[in-house]
Amino acid sequence: GENVEQHPSTLSVQEGDSAVIKCTYSDSASNYFPWYKQELGKGPQLIIDIRSNVGEKKDQRIAVTLNKTAKHFSLHITETQPEDSAVYFCAASSNNNDMRFGAGTRLTVKP
Amino acid sequence: NAGVMQNPRHLVRRRGQEARLRCSPMKGHSHVYWYRQLPEEGLKFMVYLQKENIIDESGMPKERFSAEFPKEGPSILRIQQVVRGDSAAYFCASSPSGGRQPQHFGDGTRLSIL
Repeated sequence: GENVEQHPSTLSVQEGDSAVIKCTYSDSASNYFPWYKQELGKGPQLIIDIRSNVGEKKDQRIAVTLNKTAKHFSLHITETQPEDSAVYFCAASSNNNDMRFGAGTRLTVKP
Repeated sequence: NAGVMQNPRHLVRRRGQEARLRCSPMKGHSHVYWYRQLPEEGLKFMVYLQKENIIDESGMPKERFSAEFPKEGPSILRIQQVVRGDSAAYFCASSPSGGRQPQHFGDGTRLSIL
């Protein structure tokens, strides 16, 4: 089955700086890669996703890149704000609904 | 448009009791997924259901755990004879169909075993 590795496990940045979180996956059949943000006491919220037919997708301050050859994808947050502080999860799935999550990255944005 | 609703939000049980966790998917969603999350850890897939069918239960423990998604009503995750190790947050997600569709999560049920 799919195995998703996520790094780093914790990340601390100064407000206004950029944050990058990286994930790798093992199953070459995976073709859907969502990113979730989880705040304390809440469920994960989908923030952006990318499908294997595109290499990059952007939504305001958030962007995701995908390298199918290397089997890795990354989340980029620019101009970070304190409210970006949360745990971020990457995930990968194929058409077989076998979605697997990374272990998460705790992002802290210092004012 | 209501999101995924889980109840109860918190559930306390003594060892040996049964725990029943409920999940009502988003309107129009017929696919439900259950995940388990331990503190400071990621989400572990447990089971994927469509109405009246279990599609993938590869993440479910072989004993004491069961799940259903009846034709009418919410999906239920049932844990019989709970043990301390069952303490965790259990999240439900739903999607309109399978495949490459976003899964939308509820806010979870925090299960504590005394």
